[in-house]
Amino acid sequence: EVQLLESGGDLVQPGGSLRLSCAASGFTFSSYAMSWVRQAPGKGLEWVSIISGSGGSTYYADSVKGRFTISRDNSKNTLYMEMNSLRAEDTAVYYCAKGFQTAAGSAYNWFDPWGQGTLVTVSS
Amino acid sequence: DIQMTQSPSSLSASVGDRVTITCRASQSISTYLNWYQQKPGKAPKLLIYAASSLQSGVPSRFSGSGSGTDFTLTISSLQPEDFATYYCQQSYRTPYTFGQGTKLEIK
Repeated sequence: EVQLLESGGDLVQPGGSLRLSCAASGFTFSSYAMSWVRQAPGKGLEWVSIISGSGGSTYYADSVKGRFTISRDNSKNTLYMEMNSLRAEDTAVYYCAKGFQTAAGSAYNWFDPWGQGTLVTVSS
Repeated sequence: DIQMTQSPSSLSASVGDRVTITCRASQSISTYLNWYQQKPGKAPKLLIYAASSLQSGVPSRFSGSGSGTDFTLTISSLQPEDFATYYCQQSYRTPYTFGQGTKLEIK
């Protein structure tokens, strides 16, 4: 069974940093692109970033470009999101999700499954 | 960026009803359109990928259609467990944008 388990969410002050992790199991992790999607309280889904299976290709939403860095450790079956210069508008539940193919920019990257999410709150 | 617009934003329906949700893209996305269901406090679940392909394990009362800019998700006979929020998402090009969601409520 494919499982994704996020961790690292916390309360952080504006301008602060945080690193999220997503531990994967039940599939060949390095063969699939992985993505982060977030959901602000009471709002809809916002795609954040995606990384290819090898880790060599990444894409970001404009809202986080230059502040967030997606990475992966295929030896540990773990996806990461390094979040810097955090703002109040980054407050959200962050989900990791498995892509359908290995390439990050592929049109075949629908997301299934998703993890249970981890809450990031940016507030003073 | 490709904008995705869903209609309606909310919908009231009864068990047994046939329901259709529409998603429109701001430019052609071929058939690279996916649908998700989200229940309160839970992660989204993939229902339909590539416009019309039913994800494994999803009941056959769910179906999707469309190409280019206009797409629909249809639930043929609503069941109590179908009351949830539905999102479309384009995977044609990054950034992979979502629609704003359609909340399906019990009438």
